[in-house]
Amino acid sequence: DAGVTQSPTHLIKTRGQQVTLRCSPKSGHDTVSWYQQALGQGPQFIFQYYEEEERQRGNFPDRFSGHQFPNYSSELNVNALLLGDSALYLCASSSISGTEAFFGQGTRLTVV
Amino acid sequence: QQPVQSPQAVILREGEDAVINCSSSKALYSVHWYRQKHGEAPVFLMILLKGGEQKGHEKISASFNEKKQQSSLYLTASQLSYSGTYFCGTVSYNTDKLIFGTGTRLQVFP
Repeated sequence: DAGVTQSPTHLIKTRGQQVTLRCSPKSGHDTVSWYQQALGQGPQFIFQYYEEEERQRGNFPDRFSGHQFPNYSSELNVNALLLGDSALYLCASSSISGTEAFFGQGTRLTVV
Repeated sequence: QQPVQSPQAVILREGEDAVINCSSSKALYSVHWYRQKHGEAPVFLMILLKGGEQKGHEKISASFNEKKQQSSLYLTASQLSYSGTYFCGTVSYNTDKLIFGTGTRLQVFP
């Protein structure tokens, strides 16, 4: 049983560019949450998707947007990249009827 | 608001015990505990759903005091593999957002 998978694992972008990160949830999970983790910090909640809609959102600007597809996979899009967007982006999947959230290995984004 | 963990860091010798605390200003529905090793994703340890509930996994256990909005993680007879940063994650009532605490870095030496 495949766990949560994210792609790509590493990415380098230039300021002002746009980036798309992808996540496939664990089998049987229907909810995807995205987190940003800066070096030495804890994961910060960006938003959560369920039934292809954004259900919850953290304190992130509109430059951060997402999407969930009918197969429950999800994308995180960040526009107009800033140097401060450099971080590890984590995807966590869970079941809306369950409780545990499992994380993917993350995408390390570096903005130069 | 972000849950506060204490202590910020712990250094242990193999076989020693440790307690990590997590405190929230909000009424909590559940508390989740994760361990993250450097450069890796957080790994789920356990979840506590009810006030006063205790759970255990081998030599790691936790308690949740719903009234005090606090949880504690107990590591008994620590092993080298326990090293990493421990995060509590809290879910408040009327929200599904899992909010992570400030983290506790644990280092176990031989």
